[in-house]
Amino acid sequence: SQTIHQWPATLVQPVGSPLSLECTVEGTSNPNLYWYRQAAGRGLQLLFYSVGIGQISSEVPQNLSASRPQDRQFILSSKKLLLSDSGFYLCAWSNTFTGTTDGYTFGSGTRLTVV
Amino acid sequence: KQEVTQIPAALSVPEGENLVLNCSFTDSAIYNLQWFRQDPGKGLTSLLLIQSSQREQTSGRLNASLDKSSGRSTLYIAASQPGDSATYLCAVRGVNDYKLSFGAGTTVTVRA
Repeated sequence: SQTIHQWPATLVQPVGSPLSLECTVEGTSNPNLYWYRQAAGRGLQLLFYSVGIGQISSEVPQNLSASRPQDRQFILSSKKLLLSDSGFYLCAWSNTFTGTTDGYTFGSGTRLTVV
Repeated sequence: KQEVTQIPAALSVPEGENLVLNCSFTDSAIYNLQWFRQDPGKGLTSLLLIQSSQREQTSGRLNASLDKSSGRSTLYIAASQPGDSATYLCAVRGVNDYKLSFGAGTTVTVRA
């Protein structure tokens, strides 16, 4: 069966420090991968998605970047964190959307607080 | 652009009462619709997935209906329990699209 791992669960970082959040998927190959952010009292916002190794698309301009160095690994990074980067970050995967009937599966999330 | 609305934003009911959560979307050209549950500080757990060709899906006490032409889905939870207390999110995936459009959620409290 497929599983998705996301870490760390919580993170407190000072303004201006770097960030690296990691997400890995097991039990499938060539998944679509996504990073979402959920700010306090707001809905889920898609930040990045990837349909393959090295292929990253950004949904909104921001202080963050994403990379996919391996098929089932998705990394969210920042060189210098801002206070506005605080939030709940969720990784998700789905099968390649063409011809599939599967839904999305989400990880357990990372609570990031920038102080 | 797909807009997803969930009403009500919050709901409090006594244990045993049936729950009705509503979701509406503006673009009926959808691929599927997915209902999620989110507990405080946790990730999203998928509850039900309805394909665009389906009218409803059932899992235990949960039943979700889909009326694509009117842009509506309803999640019914029968005989609610305190353990059903959570935020319920509706998400829509467009045809030939890769991403989900989420509603803001309905926060449910079931009182013992």
